[in-house]
Amino acid sequence: DTEVTQTPKHLVMGMTNKKSLKCEQHMGHRAMYWYKQKAKKPPELMFVYSYEKLSINESVPSRFSPECPNSSLLNLHLHALQPEDSALYLCASSQAQGLVDTQYFGPGTRLTVL
Amino acid sequence: RKEVEQDPGPFNVPEGATVAFNCTYSNSASQSFFWYRQDCRKEPKLLMSVYSSGNEDGRFTAQLNRASQYISLLIRDSKLSDSATYLCVGAGSGNTPLVFGKGTRLSVIA
Repeated sequence: DTEVTQTPKHLVMGMTNKKSLKCEQHMGHRAMYWYKQKAKKPPELMFVYSYEKLSINESVPSRFSPECPNSSLLNLHLHALQPEDSALYLCASSQAQGLVDTQYFGPGTRLTVL
Repeated sequence: RKEVEQDPGPFNVPEGATVAFNCTYSNSASQSFFWYRQDCRKEPKLLMSVYSSGNEDGRFTAQLNRASQYISLLIRDSKLSDSATYLCVGAGSGNTPLVFGKGTRLSVIA
């Protein structure tokens, strides 16, 4: 089973709202990732968690706050977002963070900020 | 210089055609490469890993040329269902995770 699940599939929020995106995998992977993807662009890395510890933050604004409650779950907390934050947010996982590791993606959450 | 660069595309080909995509990388120490396929409004899905010896999966063949630092993907006998964006992906420098190329759009036309 190479499934990564994400909820919700779609999210519309106002600039003053607080919401959370959720990601789950049961493949025993120890690295999990958040990406942001705008239309007709490749995915852009936001955060990497390795063994439940934040290992990479690609200079993401603080209005995005990741959390890894356990090895299977990854959350992205959203607060005071801007309309330009509207995008597809993809979660991925891999066995470990490393140079030779395949990443498996979830279906994404399509976020619209009004 | 961007670490992974791809053919800009789009490629519009008739059904049954053979099409090839190339991708160059700048980090000579990179060890792992992948081709992902992404359909419109969907997530990227792994198509193939790319090995030094090359690998083939049905109509798809991936090659790695370390001397010239490029990766290729060949699709034979194109099907309408092959229409998608193909992302070339390589390992970044140091211990950073995967670096994506901008993608090449393929449209297979009946």
